[in-house]
Amino acid sequence: EAGVTQFPSHSVIEKGQTVTLRCDPISGHDNLYWYRRVMGKEIKFLLHFVKESKQDESGMPNNRFLAERTGGTYSTLKVQPAELEDSGVYFCASSYDSNQPQHFGDGTRLSIL
Amino acid sequence: QKEVEQNSGPLSVPEGAIASLNCTYSDRGSQSFFWYRQYSGKSPELIMSIYSNGDKEDGRFTAQLNKASQYVSLLIRDSQPSDSATYLCAVLLSGSARQLTFGSGTQLTVLP
Repeated sequence: EAGVTQFPSHSVIEKGQTVTLRCDPISGHDNLYWYRRVMGKEIKFLLHFVKESKQDESGMPNNRFLAERTGGTYSTLKVQPAELEDSGVYFCASSYDSNQPQHFGDGTRLSIL
Repeated sequence: QKEVEQNSGPLSVPEGAIASLNCTYSDRGSQSFFWYRQYSGKSPELIMSIYSNGDKEDGRFTAQLNKASQYVSLLIRDSQPSDSATYLCAVLLSGSARQLTFGSGTQLTVLP
């Protein structure tokens, strides 16, 4: 069974540019989560999808971040325009249902210059 | 006060020893607790989940939960150099939200 896959593994962009991160959850997992870890801090929750619906987006930092999960399969997280403080590692996780443990991808390391 | 706290370490133990990792949490209503292992540049990998007071064993790993003291720990017996990693404590807080709240992680080094 393939795990959670994320693309790209690394992204380096300049301040003001746009970046889109992609996450493919484990097949059959309706629940998809985005988290991020900024330098020196804990992993923090961003948002939670159940199928294509946003269940909880309380962790999204501001309106420069847009997450989508059209069709309830893969998800994208777009940052537009990127700011320096957006640098960090963005993780995606999925679970079969919301009470099951979450399984994480390797993350996308985002660097804003 | 942080919602989930771990000793950041680093923690060093000799090969073959028992490594003990500790975590406390502030939300008394929390019901689900997880330990993840993370190698540098890799995904957090789930190694233990625990939901009830007491001990849960899986191979060389034992998770211990004490809800009265709001404390969860992970013991690694017969530690191996391959166990060297960062160990993350994660808690599913009470309420309807399904997000995990993480501690800052404990870096463990097992010395050959």
